[in-house]
Amino acid sequence: SQTIHQWPATLVQPVGSPLSLECTVEGTSNPNLYWYRQAAGRGLQLLFYSVGIGQISSEVPQNLSASRPQDRQFILSSKKLLLSDSGFYLCAWSHPGEGAGSPLHFGNGTRLTVT
Amino acid sequence: AQKITQTQPGMFVQEKEAVTLDCTYDTSDPSYGLFWYKQPSSGEMIFLIYQGSYDQQNATEGRYSLNFQKARKSANLVISASQLGDSAMYFCAMREGREDSWGKLQFGAGTQVVVTP
Repeated sequence: SQTIHQWPATLVQPVGSPLSLECTVEGTSNPNLYWYRQAAGRGLQLLFYSVGIGQISSEVPQNLSASRPQDRQFILSSKKLLLSDSGFYLCAWSHPGEGAGSPLHFGNGTRLTVT
Repeated sequence: AQKITQTQPGMFVQEKEAVTLDCTYDTSDPSYGLFWYKQPSSGEMIFLIYQGSYDQQNATEGRYSLNFQKARKSANLVISASQLGDSAMYFCAMREGREDSWGKLQFGAGTQVVVTP
């Protein structure tokens, strides 16, 4: 069965510090991978998605970036965090090529607080 | 423009009663999928149910059913026999089927459900 691991679970970082959140998927090959952010009490906003190694598409221009160095590894980074980067970050995967019916499967999320 | 609208920010429901969560969507794509997710206070997003735009019958999964009214562009979630563990935030989401949508899910703002004894 497929599993998704996301870490760390919580993170408190000062403004201006770097960020690295990691996500790995097991039990499937060439998954579509996603990073979402959820502000407090709100819905999810898609940040990045990837359909293969080295292929990253950005949905929202900001000081975050994403990389996919391996097939089942997805990393969210920032060189200098802003207060507005605080939120709940969720990594997700889906089966490739299954069209509109393929659900996203989410990790447990990382709660980031920028102070 | 907002593609998924959930007009109920919060609802209280008594244990063992049914509850309907509203969701309307907007798309011109003939092929699309509709999803409902549950987010407990722990934060994980749990996939509940899926309805495809070409599906003739309403989807059901255990105590969850989706009331799909295509002409009205509505995809309401019905939870029957509510349990205390159903207390959570519920999100409606849509994926459009066209190539350039890249399989992305678009989420509504969510409905907070509180089940009371």
